[in-house]
Amino acid sequence: GQSLEQPSEVTAVEGAIVQINCTYQTSGFYGLSWYQQHDGGAPTFLSYNALDGLEETGRFSSFLSRSDSYGYLLLQELQMKDSASYFCAVRGTGFQKLVFGTGTRLLVSP
Amino acid sequence: GAVVSQHPSWVICKSGTSVKIECRSLDFQATTMFWYRQFPKQSLMLMATSNEGSKATYEQGVEKDKFLINHASLTLSTLTVTSAHPEDSSFYICSATPLHQDRYGYTFGSGTRLTVV
Repeated sequence: GQSLEQPSEVTAVEGAIVQINCTYQTSGFYGLSWYQQHDGGAPTFLSYNALDGLEETGRFSSFLSRSDSYGYLLLQELQMKDSASYFCAVRGTGFQKLVFGTGTRLLVSP
Repeated sequence: GAVVSQHPSWVICKSGTSVKIECRSLDFQATTMFWYRQFPKQSLMLMATSNEGSKATYEQGVEKDKFLINHASLTLSTLTVTSAHPEDSSFYICSATPLHQDRYGYTFGSGTRLTVV
């Protein structure tokens, strides 16, 4: 089976930096992805790590340690519009299916 | 970029009726599409993998006779919720990605909010 655990909620203020962690247990592993979802909307792709290390995309960075089955999403220079739910996801074996983590609700305050 | 269209965006139906949700890849061919269900403030739960020209693969605990999936072409997958009940009320989302481009992320439809009354 597959399980991905995240903190349920994180709060921060505008301009701050926040880190959202993800620990996973999977029967197969083909990379860790991160998605953002605003209330009522569809998930949108943020970042992908196939190998260990840090990937940077603008204000967002993602890190992966395969030996620790752990990754995180780092959001810098937080803005109010970053208030949303964030999900890590792994693609396991078979049919490229994407399995999502429990999700973290980020609340950014002024 | 890859675009996935989902229709309808919301639907209200009476208990016992069936509802069909369409998912189309607009600018690429998708031999595989995925259907998710999401309850309020929860994560996306994979329901099934839709395979063009063959039977869908359902996740454990998902009733295949209740959630009928048809993937008749390379750009269209449909999910039919049969004999809907209030507990089927949820947000249903499909996703797909062009072949060998999954490192660039999966694209999701806008979702369908189903309310069964």
